[in-house]
Amino acid sequence: DTGVSQDPRHKITKRGQNVTFRCDPISEHNRLYWYRQTLGQGPEFLTYFQNEAQLEKSRLLSDRFSAERPKGSFSTLEIQRTEQGDSAMYLCASSLIGGSGNEQFFGPGTRLTVL
Amino acid sequence: AQSVAQPEDQVNVAEGNPLTVKCTYSVSGNPYLFWYVQYPNRGLQFLLKYITGDNLVKGSYGFEAEFNKSQTSFHLKKPSALVSDSALYFCAFRYSSASKIIFGSGTRLSIRP
Repeated sequence: DTGVSQDPRHKITKRGQNVTFRCDPISEHNRLYWYRQTLGQGPEFLTYFQNEAQLEKSRLLSDRFSAERPKGSFSTLEIQRTEQGDSAMYLCASSLIGGSGNEQFFGPGTRLTVL
Repeated sequence: AQSVAQPEDQVNVAEGNPLTVKCTYSVSGNPYLFWYVQYPNRGLQFLLKYITGDNLVKGSYGFEAEFNKSQTSFHLKKPSALVSDSALYFCAFRYSSASKIIFGSGTRLSIRP
């Protein structure tokens, strides 16, 4: 499968614990995005990278959230000191500037449950 | 605030009948408008987009959408619904110069046999 992959698919954690998610974009895609989707809502933009540079962060991305894309390939999203309000589906997407109309291709998501 | 609205949380249609999922936008300038579909336990899948030109846009799986500037609408349509079309549908937009996509709240489409 050459699509966007995310790991893990599901994560259950206790409040106060740290969690880290990984996203592997489509090979050669230079942009990578993170979105969060809560139940009954559409996805909300969190942040995006162009190669290894983080170019935009949403106000939704509090100090407890950090994202990296160290080599311009895969990305990690870490949440420190998780809260119950962090329970959501975290979606990753990638795109190629100038390719396929800059369309974003989404991964299957990581569902986080904070107890 | 710039946004898209999906006024119906759920749409129920009998198989074989035409379907419409509504979307209105409140966005300045010339945004790109999209429809995405989300099946259970799967990521969002791109259906179609409008940039400019012909107001009727054709997409995947037999879906099409009509851009109406005077009514600020971008409704999703299909002439004959299939049970397999049952899913969550999102209207969305982005600006050509920006990368983030802004999504509506979604409409659950249920096709009964």
